[in-house]
Amino acid sequence: GEDVEQSLFLSVREGDSSVINCTYTDSSSTYLYWYKQEPGAGLQLLTYIFSNMDMKQDQRLTVLLNKKDKHLSLRIADTQTGDSAIYFCAESYGSGNTGKLIFGQGTTLQVKP
Amino acid sequence: GAVVSQHPSRVICKSGTSVKIECRSLDFQATTMFWYRQFPKQSLMLMATSNEGSKATYEQGVEKDKFLINHASLTLSTLTVTSAHPEDSSFYICSAPGAGEGSPLHFGNGTRLTVT
Repeated sequence: GEDVEQSLFLSVREGDSSVINCTYTDSSSTYLYWYKQEPGAGLQLLTYIFSNMDMKQDQRLTVLLNKKDKHLSLRIADTQTGDSAIYFCAESYGSGNTGKLIFGQGTTLQVKP
Repeated sequence: GAVVSQHPSRVICKSGTSVKIECRSLDFQATTMFWYRQFPKQSLMLMATSNEGSKATYEQGVEKDKFLINHASLTLSTLTVTSAHPEDSSFYICSAPGAGEGSPLHFGNGTRLTVT
């Protein structure tokens, strides 16, 4: 079945760039998403990318998509302590936009001052 | 932007009682809402799709009679955990898709349920 994999933990120093990686299996996914979750809170949408795009940049965030390898990454430039959170990669169920998502396990980002 | 409000944020109940969780879309209409469950330090698992005007669609392995879903209006879906047991303790999060193709899911802030 469909699966989304992420590394579980990443530690960086404040000011450095963070790169969080994700692989997925459903090649028909139309949209791929990055969500942020702070402790005890819900999910905050960070950004999303349409499957026919290779890259999307939004201020400090850069999303790279390699559809051939089914690899998605999120780069956070100039990482701040407030960026410490769990980051979830998610793919949409199949083609189109059903609104149903499959989530990865989440990557805990630790930012050291 | 689109906002989804979920209530309550935390609830503690005794085994055998029922708990209702509300999910509201505040500035848009949602004919469909999604209920997810998150275990500690784990990912989110889709439980069911709530459909306005029709029955909810449950994912495999989710007990329909335990997790009752009612989509009462275009802005409100409720999840009722019936006859709760300690193993039902979890973080429940609702979501709704925004308008337009590709519009991402907008999530509520979640409900931490603890069953004692």
